[in-house]
Amino acid sequence: AQSVAQPEDQVNVAEGNPLTVKCTYSVSGNPYLFWYVQYPNRGLQFLLKYITGDNLVKGSYGFEAEFNKSQTSFHLKKPSALVSDSALYFCAVRDRDDRGSTLGRLYFGRGTQLTVWP
Amino acid sequence: KAGVTQTPRYLIKTRGQQVTLSCSPISGHRSVSWYQQTPGQGLQFLFEYFSETQRNKGNFPGRFSGRQFSNSRSEMNVSTLELGDSALYLCASSLKGQGNYGYTFGSGTRLTVV
Repeated sequence: AQSVAQPEDQVNVAEGNPLTVKCTYSVSGNPYLFWYVQYPNRGLQFLLKYITGDNLVKGSYGFEAEFNKSQTSFHLKKPSALVSDSALYFCAVRDRDDRGSTLGRLYFGRGTQLTVWP
Repeated sequence: KAGVTQTPRYLIKTRGQQVTLSCSPISGHRSVSWYQQTPGQGLQFLFEYFSETQRNKGNFPGRFSGRQFSNSRSEMNVSTLELGDSALYLCASSLKGQGNYGYTFGSGTRLTVV
């Protein structure tokens, strides 16, 4: 079965500093990985995805993620954090069937609360 | 283009009642998935529909059901509500729900069971 883990419940960073939100995955076959962000009382907003290709994926709002196959990680990064980046961040992986075909289901991590202080 | 629309945004129901939530996907999207979000369990998959057929189902009791209409709009129903059903219910739509296609989420329906 597919799964992702977000080892940190909370990440705190000062505005202007770089930020990293960690995610590790466990999948059978090639992973399809996603990052979503959630603001209070809102749904999930798509940030970026890794399907194949370059290990560094660029996404919305200046975020990027680095796919590392040997470490089975997909960490979210941003060079300079903003106070408005404070939100709940989720890593997710697509489900696959026994033949490796993707299915219409995402497995989510528990989420990481990012707080950026001024 | 319009995003994923979920109605209503908020609901308060009494234990034992039933509830129906609605999701209108992005125009042209044929796959609709539902998730339950709670502080204790996080985001859990309920089911996915594609072209009016349930294609995947999560590990929820039979009190949770859904359907999809020919226009791809979807509804989920919860019967005999329990206090533990209080959650944010999120709907996501995708062009096909397979392959490289991503998901767009709605803002959710906040259900409170009292």
